Amino acid sequence: SYELTQPPSVSVSPGQTASITCSGDKLGDRYVYWYQQKTGQSPVLVIYEDARWPSGIPRRFSGSNSGNTATLTISGTQATDEATYYCQAWDSTAAFVFGTGTTVTV
Amino acid sequence: HLLESGGGLAQPGGSLKLACEASGFTFYAYAMSWVRQAPGKGLEWVSVISGSGESTYYAESVRGRFTISRDNSKNTLYVQMNSLRVDDTAVYYCAKGRAVTEVGEDAFDVWGPGAMVTVSS
Repeated sequence: SYELTQPPSVSVSPGQTASITCSGDKLGDRYVYWYQQKTGQSPVLVIYEDARWPSGIPRRFSGSNSGNTATLTISGTQATDEATYYCQAWDSTAAFVFGTGTTVTV
Repeated sequence: HLLESGGGLAQPGGSLKLACEASGFTFYAYAMSWVRQAPGKGLEWVSVISGSGESTYYAESVRGRFTISRDNSKNTLYVQMNSLRVDDTAVYYCAKGRAVTEVGEDAFDVWGPGAMVTVSS
């Protein structure tokens, strides 16, 4: 089955840049989506199709995807960005696959 | 908006049916999914159904036990969960596909608040 691997945690100082990676076999050949989930809340889509922004998402969130790794970058990180972030991709066999999740501490 | 209902406590081997009422968008135009999250764990996709209801897919962990369905006249998504196991304990989210009617590569752009399902004797 297809797997997406993320680092368990990332720590960043306020105002600095946080980078969260998502690794999977030939991940660059498919679209990657990113979700933010704050404690006790439902997930929120923050990036779709590798690097596009849903309505209402701040531009300090950006995404890239190439080779076997996709990256979510948070520029000028704010305290409100503290959350767990999940990548997601589509696999023709397993359908929707989520990454293992990365907790960002600001 | 999405709002789940029907969660609760079930015994191992028992059954439970969740519903998700949708509003604010053209329900039949989008594929819909159930995604679950066990306590303290990550997100796990469970099942998806096309906008028409003709196509359905399941995660291997629930295939043969769960059945997804939808009633487009009522703007409601369902999942019938049978032969429940302790490891089915989770918050179950209803999620809307972002862009496509059929099942395929896509994101989830609207999520419900979730319904807690606890399987325990």
